[in-house]
Amino acid sequence: EPEVTQTPSHQVTQMGQEVILRCVPISNHLYFYWYRQILGQKVEFLVSFYNNEISEKSEIFDDQFSVERPDGSNFTLKIRSTKLEDSAMYFCASSGLDRDSNEQFFGPGTRLTVL
Amino acid sequence: SQKIEQNSEALNIQEGKTATLTCNYTNYSPAYLQWYRQDPGRGPVFLLLIRENEKEKRKERLKVTFDTTLKQSLFHITASQPADSATYLCALTKVDSSYKLIFGSGTRLLVRP
Repeated sequence: EPEVTQTPSHQVTQMGQEVILRCVPISNHLYFYWYRQILGQKVEFLVSFYNNEISEKSEIFDDQFSVERPDGSNFTLKIRSTKLEDSAMYFCASSGLDRDSNEQFFGPGTRLTVL
Repeated sequence: SQKIEQNSEALNIQEGKTATLTCNYTNYSPAYLQWYRQDPGRGPVFLLLIRENEKEKRKERLKVTFDTTLKQSLFHITASQPADSATYLCALTKVDSSYKLIFGSGTRLLVRP
């Protein structure tokens, strides 16, 4: 069964450093998302991506964040200068052609720890 | 502001019983309401979707109801099993440019053998 994959599973970085979180969505899906979950809190929407551009972003997704789909298979989230409060699980999700179903498939997540 | 409320207290039930979880929302008019399961340290897994014009949806041992007047959804697991123990997340979606999911904080279910 096709699945969303994410790498790395765990990333530890120093405050102020840049990190890139990688995702491979399900092939033939067209809609891509990043969500984050701070430990013990709810899953929060960060950004949605369709047709090679951002379709919506949340207030959390400030100038320090960017997304790319560089090669038609990978979907990346970059944080330019990490802050302590960026420590969280980051989930990538994708959904298919059927907008009427809107079922989203989530990856296993990347745990980001900022020291 | 938009608010989605799920019972923050864990639900602890005996195997074989029916688990009923509640999702209430305010200041929102979703087109869809979805339920996901999340195990510790894992990503959410889709379970069921119900549309605003639907009252009830079933899938195997799962049943979801959606009352747009009460702004409430109920999620039922019948004949519960210890393997059903997890956190269950309610998520709302509007028909817009992104179809993003707005999640509740989830309810933890523990099914005792």
